Amino acid sequence: QITLKESGPTLVKPTQTLTLTCTLSGFALTTNGVGVGWIRQPPGKALEWLALIHWDDDKHYSPSLKSRLTITKDPSKNQVVLTMTNMDPVDTATYYCARKVGPVKIGWFGPWGQGVLVTVSS
Amino acid sequence: DIVMTQSPDSLAVSLGERATINCKSSQSVLYSSNSKNYLAWYQQKPGRPPKLLIYWASTRESGVPDRFSGSGSGTDFTLTISSLQAEDVAVYYCQQYYSSPPTFGPGTKVDIK
Repeated sequence: QITLKESGPTLVKPTQTLTLTCTLSGFALTTNGVGVGWIRQPPGKALEWLALIHWDDDKHYSPSLKSRLTITKDPSKNQVVLTMTNMDPVDTATYYCARKVGPVKIGWFGPWGQGVLVTVSS
Repeated sequence: DIVMTQSPDSLAVSLGERATINCKSSQSVLYSSNSKNYLAWYQQKPGRPPKLLIYWASTRESGVPDRFSGSGSGTDFTLTISSLQAEDVAVYYCQQYYSSPPTFGPGTKVDIK
């Protein structure tokens, strides 16, 4: 069974750096074609894609957030880590990680983790 | 970026009736070399993460009931729930993966009338 689980702080202060970890189960980041993405959703709003990393370390970022985001992987722990700098209250959202699927560079996402609600407030 | 729009914003349908959700992309997501539309649909129930329903615009994910179907090509797509069930109350999103960044529609909320 393929599962993903996000972990990280639920409250961060403005200007701080957010670090979120996605732990994978049932599939390996070392497998050809595997990718993991991060998507966020502000309360009551739509989904916004943030970043994607592939098994071969190919990385893609949201152009509007690229300067603030870093995505990395730790194959030995089967984890993907997302860091976002200079957090602001508008970054308050549920952050999801999801497996990227499909024989294409970007692809669709499934399954998704349960998500972690991150609140940015002083 | 490819902008995705959806209509309506919300709809209420009687149990057993058909629900139709539209999705439009600002440019074609049909890849000519393989004739595939790079579009997916998701269902998100309250308090839950999104769940993949359909990819390649019309291919149902394993385990998804066959009352869910996707159609369309190029820039215009439709998700149809042929006979609405109580458990289908959710927000539905489309997503293009034709080009980076992948982008989602704003969502359509489906309720019971």
